Amino acid sequence: GAVVSQHPSRVICKSGTSVKIECRSLDFQATTMFWYRQFPKQSLMLMATSNEGSKATYEQGVEKDKFLINHASLTLSTLTVTSAHPEDSSFYICSARLGLAGTYEQYFGPGTRLTVT
Amino acid sequence: AQTVTQSQPEMSVQEAETVTLSCTYDTSESNYYLFWYKQPPSRQMILVIRQEAYKQQNATENRFSVNFQKAAKSFSLKISDSQLGDTAMYFCAFIPGAGSYQLTFGKGTKLSVIP
Repeated sequence: GAVVSQHPSRVICKSGTSVKIECRSLDFQATTMFWYRQFPKQSLMLMATSNEGSKATYEQGVEKDKFLINHASLTLSTLTVTSAHPEDSSFYICSARLGLAGTYEQYFGPGTRLTVT
Repeated sequence: AQTVTQSQPEMSVQEAETVTLSCTYDTSESNYYLFWYKQPPSRQMILVIRQEAYKQQNATENRFSVNFQKAAKSFSLKISDSQLGDTAMYFCAFIPGAGSYQLTFGKGTKLSVIP
């Protein structure tokens, strides 16, 4: 149980275009989803926390107008990279938390490799 | 602010041997949660083991065990009978609890198991 999927697994787009990444919890309801960014040989950096039905909370330094997050249902959150540029190329990972009070474990998706040309 | 420090960027171990990865953290909270995650070359994050701060007993999961020293704010991971499939990046992570669910990760330790 507790499987999280991401789509697409890898995407290549041209500079100036927008890309949407989907994160789905397949067998549980996720009250909270998280979006991370990981550069090569580095750790995961939290970008934003997404709660179902409310606006995402962005970490300091993350442009909310560039990285649009929508958490419209208990099983789906999306990250849209708008007007992508080569410096946005990275590995994006989502995670989801079970919607139970006191549960702290996060389940991770397999990640999406974004390349902007 | 909470911080997690992994002081060993890279380690190697012979197959079937035991290796210990170190992690220290800093927090003012008392009831928090600690995790070790594994990220193999596929880059899928896999939970290895978790420890609740209020539990004195060290967590174990098959070949994986932790040495949790709350006073010293230390949380090391011991891997026994190392296998080739253990080759991966290992991240120590922390959740402060008290309604906060955000994970703070260390920088990771790259573990190579040598046949």
